[in-house]
Amino acid sequence: GENVEQHPSTLSVQEGDSAVIKCTYSDSASNYFPWYKQELGKGPQLIIDIRSNVGEKKDQRIAVTLNKTAKHFSLHITETQPEDSAVYFCAAEASGNTPLVFGKGTRLSVIA
Amino acid sequence: DSGVTQTPKHLITATGQRVTLRCSPRSGDLSVYWYQQSLDQGLQFLIQYYNGEERAKGNILERFSAQQFPDLHSELNLSSLELGDSALYFCASSGPNTPLHFGNGTRLTVT
Repeated sequence: GENVEQHPSTLSVQEGDSAVIKCTYSDSASNYFPWYKQELGKGPQLIIDIRSNVGEKKDQRIAVTLNKTAKHFSLHITETQPEDSAVYFCAAEASGNTPLVFGKGTRLSVIA
Repeated sequence: DSGVTQTPKHLITATGQRVTLRCSPRSGDLSVYWYQQSLDQGLQFLIQYYNGEERAKGNILERFSAQQFPDLHSELNLSSLELGDSALYFCASSGPNTPLHFGNGTRLTVT
C-alpha cells in the first residue's frame, strides 16, 4: 500500500521568512496530493491540493510542487506570519475514492 | 466551519468500557471516513463507508466497529477500551469530486 514520508517533523522560522515542507510517496499510481493545516483543538483543514497532471500550483502565499518521477511533493509558504503556526500534513491518494494516506505531520512555528 | 459535526468533543472513560462516537457528514457527502490521531502517529485511517456500505478498511482493531445509517450519519464504536486507545478520533466526509473535510474530532481519554 501507499506510504508517505514527511520532513521535517518540526520547523521554526522567523516571521517573513519562507518555510518548505517535503513529502515522498511510494505508490506510483497516486495522483492526488492535498495538504492540510491543523490548528490546536481543531480538525485538519485543506489548504491546497495538486493533481498529478500539474507540476505546480499557487494560492497567494502558498504553493505546492510535484515531481512525479522522483515521487515527491513539497509545500512552500512565503512571507510567513505568526498565524501560519500549526501542524501541516501532506497526503497522497491513489485512484479515486481510496482513503488518503497521511504523512506524520510537521509542526511549524513562526517566530515574531 | 467544515460542515462535518462530531459529538461528543471530549470523552473520559475507564478501561474495559465501551463508547460510541458520532459523526454527521457535510450535506450531500456520501462517504464518511474515520481516522485516529495519536501523539507522534499522525492520522491513521480506520474505516470508510460509502452510502451505508463499508468501502475500505485500514488499521482498525477488532474491538472497534463502525456503521453508516440511512441518513448518512456514522457511528464509531470502541469496546473493551485500553489505555492505548486514548487519542483524537476524527471523522471526515467527501462527495463526488470534492476533497476530504474533517470534523473537529472527539478526544477520548481512557483512564
